[in-house]
Amino acid sequence: EAGVAQSPRYKIIEKRQSVAFWCNPISGHATLYWYQQILGQGPKLLIQFQNNGVVDDSQLPKDRFSAERLKGVDSTLKIQPAKLEDSAVYLCASSLARGSRNTEAFFGQGTRLTVV
Amino acid sequence: GESVGLHLPTLSVQEGDNSIINCAYSNSASDYFIWYKQESGKGPQFIIDIRSNMDKRQGQRVTVLLNKTVKHLSLQIAATQPGDSAVYFCAENPQSFGAGTRLTVKP
Repeated sequence: EAGVAQSPRYKIIEKRQSVAFWCNPISGHATLYWYQQILGQGPKLLIQFQNNGVVDDSQLPKDRFSAERLKGVDSTLKIQPAKLEDSAVYLCASSLARGSRNTEAFFGQGTRLTVV
Repeated sequence: GESVGLHLPTLSVQEGDNSIINCAYSNSASDYFIWYKQESGKGPQFIIDIRSNMDKRQGQRVTVLLNKTVKHLSLQIAATQPGDSAVYFCAENPQSFGAGTRLTVKP
């Protein structure tokens, strides 16, 4: 079974530029998550989708971050404009979870973003 | 807000010894917990999970214990191997991760 695919693996941009990350979840997984992981810390949930609807985006900095999951499959996360403190690994994960019953999430390799 | 936290940031053990990684949580309504292993440059990898209607669950060389009275989780790894060296996270559902414990296995 193919895992969660993310691209690109690495990205270096200057502050105030824009960047987008792409995620293809495991086939059939209704729930998709985006996390930000700063070096030395645990992943922090940014946004959770179930199918193409947003379940939780309470920790997404909406002035600069946006995400979408068109057709309930692939998802993109965008940062515009980027700040130095956005340097982190951005992880995408998916799970079979539907409704309120959680199940384990399976993670992609992440995109390492460096803002200079 | 509610969060999941870890007691120790680092743990060093000898190869062959058993390892115990601890985790505290604060939300008494939490009903699902997951342990993940993260190696350098990779995403977290699922190890084992437990729901709140259980107090123990065993996998291959791993055991998770849940004490709801004191809101505490532990991950026990038997006969720790060099390949177990990684950062281990407990998570309250997939939504809330603790800071992690770095496990180093000495040969």
